[in-house]
Amino acid sequence: NAGVMQNPRHLVRRRGQEARLRCSPMKGHSHVYWYRQLPEEGLKFMVYLQKENIIDESGMPKERFSAEFPKEGPSILRIQQVVRGDSAAYFCASSPSGGVGNTIYFGEGSWLTVV
Amino acid sequence: DQQVKQNSPSLSVQEGRISILNCDYTNSMFDYFLWYKKYPAEGPTFLISISSIKDKNEDGRFTVFLNKSAKHLSLHIVPSQPGDSAVYFCAANQGAQKLVFGQGTRLTINP
Repeated sequence: NAGVMQNPRHLVRRRGQEARLRCSPMKGHSHVYWYRQLPEEGLKFMVYLQKENIIDESGMPKERFSAEFPKEGPSILRIQQVVRGDSAAYFCASSPSGGVGNTIYFGEGSWLTVV
Repeated sequence: DQQVKQNSPSLSVQEGRISILNCDYTNSMFDYFLWYKKYPAEGPTFLISISSIKDKNEDGRFTVFLNKSAKHLSLHIVPSQPGDSAVYFCAANQGAQKLVFGQGTRLTINP
């Protein structure tokens, strides 16, 4: 039973380029979450999605960041015109359903470095 | 505003002894709490959770205690093993699965 799969694991982008991070949830999970961890900090919630719907994007920066979870295929976190401050570890997580008490399972993370 | 706080950045414990990791929160609306363990360059791994209607949950060597009046929870690991060396994150559920994480505590188990 494969866990949450994220790719790429490591991504290097120059300032101004676009970064796309992909996440395939665990089998049977229809809820996907993205978290970001800056160096020496805890994980910060970014966005919560179900298939074709954004449920909560209160943690997403207002500009340059977008997320989707299409009917078919992985969830994508897209960062346009990257800046050095976007360098971080981005973690995707999934759960079988929403609601209190459902454990969220994390992927291995995608490390973005902006040079 | 840090709603979940882990005030100890690091903790060092002798192998075989008890490790106690602490976590404080400010939001009384949190109703579910979780502990995650994280190794470098890996994702967080779920360890144990507790609902706000309970004050204790035990799973093998891991026990989580919740003191709602003090808005405090703790994770006890006994006996501590070298493989327990990792960063431990406390997290609280704020409805609809949005987790709020603490800053983490780096636990080192010394042989």
